[in-house]
Amino acid sequence: GENVEQHPSTLSVQEGDSAVIKCTYSDSASNYFPWYKQELGKRPQLIIDIRSNVGEKKDQRIAVTLNKTAKHFSLHITETQPEDSAVYFCAARDSGGYNKLIFGAGTRLAVHP
Amino acid sequence: KAGVTQTPRYLIKTRGQQVTLSCSPISGHRSVSWYQQTPGQGLQFLFEYFSETQRNKGNFPGRFSGRQFSNSRSEMNVSTLELGDSALYLCASSSGGGGSYEQYFGPGTRLTVT
Repeated sequence: GENVEQHPSTLSVQEGDSAVIKCTYSDSASNYFPWYKQELGKRPQLIIDIRSNVGEKKDQRIAVTLNKTAKHFSLHITETQPEDSAVYFCAARDSGGYNKLIFGAGTRLAVHP
Repeated sequence: KAGVTQTPRYLIKTRGQQVTLSCSPISGHRSVSWYQQTPGQGLQFLFEYFSETQRNKGNFPGRFSGRQFSNSRSEMNVSTLELGDSALYLCASSSGGGGSYEQYFGPGTRLTVT
């Protein structure tokens, strides 16, 4: 089955810096890769996603890149702000299972003013 | 549109009891997936329901079960609760078809087993 690894587990940056979180997946047939942001005590929130037929997608300060050959995808946050502090999860859609998402272990991002 | 709702938000149960959790998806969405979130295991897929049928299941014991009603609302049931079942149970709503894979989570039910 699909396996997703996420690095780093924690990330600390200064406000205004960029942050990059990386994930690798094992199933080359996976075709959908979402990213979720989870603030303390709140639900995971879908912030951006990418499909396997696209190499990069941007939405304001966040972007996701996908390298299908290497089976890895990354989240890029530019001009970080304190409100970006949260746990970020990457996920890959299991190729055998409709809406089954396999999640990475999460990255705790701290943005210091 | 109203978002995904889950009830109850908090539950405390004793080992050996059973529990039923409820999820109402976004209006028009026909797919409901359930996930268990724990500090040790992260987010793990339990099962997915679409049009009242379970179409995928994760690696959880048979004590975990679910169902979906004709209005797309879903319930999950855990029987013979164990201490290790303490977790945040999240449901996610998706349209379920037409190549649309986006899933939107509810606020979760925090289950504590004592």
